[in-house]
Amino acid sequence: NAGVTQTPKFRVLKTGQSMTLLCAQDMNHEYMYWYRQDPGMGLRLIHYSVGEGTTAKGEVPDGYNVSRLKKQNFLLGLESAAPSQTSVYFCASSTGTGSQETQYFGPGTRLLVL
Amino acid sequence: AQSVTQLDSQVPVFEEAPVELRCNYSSSVSVYLFWYVQYPNQGLQLLLKYLSGSTLVKGINGFEAEFNKSQTSFHLRKPSVHISDTAEYFCAVSHTGGFKTIFGAGTRLFVKA
Repeated sequence: NAGVTQTPKFRVLKTGQSMTLLCAQDMNHEYMYWYRQDPGMGLRLIHYSVGEGTTAKGEVPDGYNVSRLKKQNFLLGLESAAPSQTSVYFCASSTGTGSQETQYFGPGTRLLVL
Repeated sequence: AQSVTQLDSQVPVFEEAPVELRCNYSSSVSVYLFWYVQYPNQGLQLLLKYLSGSTLVKGINGFEAEFNKSQTSFHLRKPSVHISDTAEYFCAVSHTGGFKTIFGAGTRLFVKA
């Protein structure tokens, strides 16, 4: 089992460019999450999904879109990148039985927006 | 609304000394509580969690935490730390019946030789 994988590991964008971050999990988990991690702020939830074809907004959704067309994949899109989106992005997944379940995290994607 | 406060942003400690990382939460409903650890350049992994029952929870790598409902705290402890425990530790809370987990800002533990 690879667990949760994220692509790419690192990316540099110019302001206004777009990109998609891919998260894949091979644990047959129902729930998937996208977080951003910034110094002194911990992890903040961007969007999440409780099943294939469903998504919902988290704490900081502005400037991001997501899609969950396949159960194992959760895509995070930046349509027009801004310097404020410079961050480390983590994907996580958990089983579909509720918030008591452990979240399994990917290794992260470091994004720099110039 | 729920929130999590980790009272120390950095904790330096000598090897083999005990350590306590403090976490307080606020919530108007029943909660689940978690501690996750993040080693450098890695994702988070679960150390331990409290769902119900005994208020003393034991986790991996010799860590334990105690749920104190009256003080709304969930402090993490280890009686003797190792250099390899150097990492960032995150306290997190979710509420029963919910989907989301709220993370604290993190505490960086530095273990010195």
